[in-house]
Amino acid sequence: GQNIDQPTEMTATEGAIVQINCTYQTSGFNGLFWYQQHAGEAPTFLSYNVLDGLEEKGRFSSFLSRSKGYSYLLLKELQMKDSASYLCAVRDQSRDYKLSFGAGTTVTVRA
Amino acid sequence: NAGVTQTPKFQVLKTGQSMTLQCAQDMNHEYMSWYRQDPGMGLRLIHYSVGAGITDQGEVPNGYNVSRSTTEDFPLRLLSAAPSQTSVYFCASSYNPGQPQHFGDGTRLSIL
Repeated sequence: GQNIDQPTEMTATEGAIVQINCTYQTSGFNGLFWYQQHAGEAPTFLSYNVLDGLEEKGRFSSFLSRSKGYSYLLLKELQMKDSASYLCAVRDQSRDYKLSFGAGTTVTVRA
Repeated sequence: NAGVTQTPKFQVLKTGQSMTLQCAQDMNHEYMSWYRQDPGMGLRLIHYSVGAGITDQGEVPNGYNVSRSTTEDFPLRLLSAAPSQTSVYFCASSYNPGQPQHFGDGTRLSIL
């Protein structure tokens, strides 16, 4: 299967910036997704990168470097409601475009 | 807007029992999938379907069956429940595998 690595936990202060890294190994990279999952709830889509560079969506940005097998999700102006797990998922065309998920990074925002 | 609906939300089974987890979507999505989520392991794909009448195995298919007789419904069957199948199960759908998936609220299943 895929090898997708994310840090397990991160803690930051309200109003600060946090960067969640994701590294992956795949033979047929075809896109990377970031999902947010609050405790006890379903994952919800945040962003999608298929080309190198930065995608910005309000307070959230996602970056991709295909040559390095690396992505990050940047959360700016952190709010308490941003406390959640953030899942990195990679689509692989050599595996019939199925998604493989990392274990997720739990972000805790402190006042 | 119902989106993806999963039932039941919670279930406790005894080892050896069988049961069906229901999943329905009203978005006319062709692609549907089932995942299980265990602590520290992320979401793992059990089975998926690219359209009515077509299903295929994911990473962890053993002990589970699926069928896709309509575009809307994609039930997951546990044939003979085992404690190792205790998990949270999510159903998801999208127009195609390349689109972001919409997830149901999950079924929390405990096998005693």
